[in-house]
Amino acid sequence: NAGVTQTPKFRVLKTGQSMTLLCAQDMNHEYMYWYRQDPGMGLRLIHYSVGEGTTAKGEVPDGYNVSRLKKQNFLLGLESAAPSQTSVYFCATLRVVDHGYTFGSGTRLTVV
Amino acid sequence: ELKVEQNPLFLSMQEGKNYTIYCNYSTTSDRLYWYRQDPGKSLESLFVLLSNGAVKQEGRLMASLDTKARLSTLHITAAVHDLSATYFCAVAYTGTASKLTFGTGTRLQVTL
Repeated sequence: NAGVTQTPKFRVLKTGQSMTLLCAQDMNHEYMYWYRQDPGMGLRLIHYSVGEGTTAKGEVPDGYNVSRLKKQNFLLGLESAAPSQTSVYFCATLRVVDHGYTFGSGTRLTVV
Repeated sequence: ELKVEQNPLFLSMQEGKNYTIYCNYSTTSDRLYWYRQDPGKSLESLFVLLSNGAVKQEGRLMASLDTKARLSTLHITAAVHDLSATYFCAVAYTGTASKLTFGTGTRLQVTL
């Protein structure tokens, strides 16, 4: 039982490159979220999904796209990376029964 | 727009001392969370507070919630070095897909 797995754990991109971050969960949770964490700013919500096939924008969605084609996977895409997207990205799922969130270990992304 | 404010942002305290971290939030929510984060790590869940007057304790940490004042506190009793970390509060509201909104965090440094 892995919980929430994020891949990759580290990545360096050049400005303008694209990439996809994968969040995979084996807990059958409906709700999934992508956050970014910047120094001194806490975590901010990028996009979220309340079920397979559904996605919605969070607080800071610009420059990102997401897809939830399968319930267990939530993908975060950067079409044209910018240095402002240098951050640590966390995926989370919600366990509705007790309102608990499970966070992945994070992806540290640097855009140069 | 839901805003969550924590203070202080940085706290340096000696071992054995007591202190309180404050978390204010601006609009209706039905759950308040406290998390701990060590450098380079993911978030570790400490407490979930669901109702007005809720109080939870784990070891040297105690959290409370006053929904009327929109205030939660995290009290540290007789601090030890192992408590050094960054602490975040976050609020969620079922009516908005349970999106978590985080405070900016309080970096706690416990000195020997």
